[in-house]
Amino acid sequence: DAGVIQSPRHEVTEMGQEVTLRCKPISGHNSLFWYRQTMMRGLELLIYFNNNVPIDDSGMPEDRFSAKMPNASFSTLKIQPSEPRDSAVYFCASRLGGGAIYFGEGSWLTVV
Amino acid sequence: RKEVEQDPGPFNVPEGATVAFNCTYSNSASQSFFWYRQDCRKEPKLLMSVYSSGNEDGRFTAQLNRASQYISLLIRDSKLSDSATYLCVVDLSGGYNKLIFGAGTRLAVHP
Repeated sequence: DAGVIQSPRHEVTEMGQEVTLRCKPISGHNSLFWYRQTMMRGLELLIYFNNNVPIDDSGMPEDRFSAKMPNASFSTLKIQPSEPRDSAVYFCASRLGGGAIYFGEGSWLTVV
Repeated sequence: RKEVEQDPGPFNVPEGATVAFNCTYSNSASQSFFWYRQDCRKEPKLLMSVYSSGNEDGRFTAQLNRASQYISLLIRDSKLSDSATYLCVVDLSGGYNKLIFGAGTRLAVHP
């Protein structure tokens, strides 16, 4: 069975450029999460969706960050404009009901 | 106070040792508790769910103490392959999916 699929796996971009990260959750899962992980701050919850509806985006660091989930099988996290401090691993995860969440392999972002 | 706090690491233990991690959470209405394992440069992976009555999976035992608002993970007979970072996660929203991770506790098992 396919797990959570994220793309790109690695991205290096210049400061000021737009970055779009993509996620396909596990089929049938009704919740989707975006996390960011850094050495300093650990795993931070950025935003999560229930049934494609954003529920809590209080973890989104700034207005430069935005996330969408146009349908049950696709979500994007966009950073515009990107800054060096956005360099991190961005994980997407999905969940069915009250079960465990399952992570994608992450998108490793470096902003130079 | 952080919403989800874990024991500071690292824990360095010999093979065969028993090691325990604790994780405290801030909201008494929290539901859904889990332990995850994360290897270097990999995504977190589910180790086990934590049930109200406590549960065991082989060498791993998880417990929940609602009165004191903490969960624990006990690893018996540690193996070299247990070396990883262990993360607790709590649904702080009482069932609405606000799943917050602790900072993680690093375990290093040596021969």
